[in-house]
Amino acid sequence: GQSLEQPSEVTAVEGAIVQINCTYQTSGFYGLSWYQQHDGGAPTFLSYNALDGLEETGRFSSFLSRSDSYGYLLLQELQMKDSASYFCAVRGDYGQNFVFGPGTRLSVLP
Amino acid sequence: DAGVTQSPTHLIKTRGQQVTLRCSPKSGHDTVSWYQQALGQGPQFIFQYYEEEERQRGNFPDRFSGHQFPNYSSELNVNALLLGDSALYLCASSLWLTGPNTEAFFGQGTRLTVV
Repeated sequence: GQSLEQPSEVTAVEGAIVQINCTYQTSGFYGLSWYQQHDGGAPTFLSYNALDGLEETGRFSSFLSRSDSYGYLLLQELQMKDSASYFCAVRGDYGQNFVFGPGTRLSVLP
Repeated sequence: DAGVTQSPTHLIKTRGQQVTLRCSPKSGHDTVSWYQQALGQGPQFIFQYYEEEERQRGNFPDRFSGHQFPNYSSELNVNALLLGDSALYLCASSLWLTGPNTEAFFGQGTRLTVV
């Protein structure tokens, strides 16, 4: 099976940098994904890491260390609109479904 | 290009009743997955349909059943509703053959409240 851990809440101010950590346990690893979900909205894809290292997409970056079963999402130049829940996810046993972490609620303060 | 659409957006049912939720996948996608998201938690996988067959199932009782139609749309049925079934039900679509490194596209969900 799979399990993931994330901090439940993170608070930061506009313009700051915040890091959301994720540790996972999985029998078969197909990569670590990150999704953003605003209140009342659909989860939307942010990034995917299959190999160790940093992936950068604009203000967002994601890092993976497979040896440590650990990854993080880095959000730079925070904006109010970044206030949302962030989920890390791995693929299930057969690689087709996602197993999501419990989510980290990010609050960006003015 | 329409994304994933779900209906209805909100629904209130009484304990013991049955409910049907509907999902139309993103254009060009052939695989539909259903997730249950309780308040303040991450989505939990219910099951997945491809070629009109249930391909994978999460840890949900038989009260949860589904169907996929030839046009790839899908239904989620829940029988004998319990208060604990109150949640946001999300549909995600993808392409079966592109493998596990592809993103899933989610609909806005159906908010089910059981009273």
